[in-house]
Amino acid sequence: DVKVTQSSRYLVKRTGEKVFLECVQDMDHENMFWYRQDPGLGLRLIYFSYDVKMKEKGDIPEGYSVSREKKERFSLILESASTNQTSMYLCASSYPLAGEQFFGPGTRLTVL
Amino acid sequence: RKEVEQDPGPFNVPEGATVAFNCTYSNSASQSFFWYRQDCRKEPKLLMSVYSSGNEDGRFTAQLNRASQYISLLIRDSKLSDSATYLCVVNPSGPYNNNDMRFGAGTRLTVKP
Repeated sequence: DVKVTQSSRYLVKRTGEKVFLECVQDMDHENMFWYRQDPGLGLRLIYFSYDVKMKEKGDIPEGYSVSREKKERFSLILESASTNQTSMYLCASSYPLAGEQFFGPGTRLTVL
Repeated sequence: RKEVEQDPGPFNVPEGATVAFNCTYSNSASQSFFWYRQDCRKEPKLLMSVYSSGNEDGRFTAQLNRASQYISLLIRDSKLSDSATYLCVVNPSGPYNNNDMRFGAGTRLTVKP
């Protein structure tokens, strides 16, 4: 059974703090993704990674960075959190040519 | 214009009803199409892929209309457990690149007793 886990379900941070969101998958998937989901906008891709230490920008990378030091782990970093980064953050993983992405349970981040 | 557009609903239907959702996409070169289901406060999960010839899985039928650039999802004999948000997903980059999935904002369905 595929499992994608995220470090926190709920997180509250203050403006200017550095925030780390962690994602771990146990299916040996090459591809991993970070999305944010906002009402009325659907999921938007922030960054993805197709291999260890490899990363590509998605549609909305500004204000975010990522790290993939191990195949199973993909981290999203908010260098200096801002209130407009309050959102639901979803991590996903997949095989490279597969249509299906497997999602983690999400982290609801609130930046005050 | 959004790349993938869905009627947000909510669609409120009685148990046993048949309900259909449409989703339009703007990129005529899009290659792959999917429906995902997202329960309240949960992660999205793949419901079904949408093939050119259509796809049926039990009570669920998905269709693709390339000429009009829309996909549809039909649910027959609705169950209470079908209550969820249904996300339309389009991949404009073809089956060899799944890094460019475009998600609709979702259509919310509530099935009532």
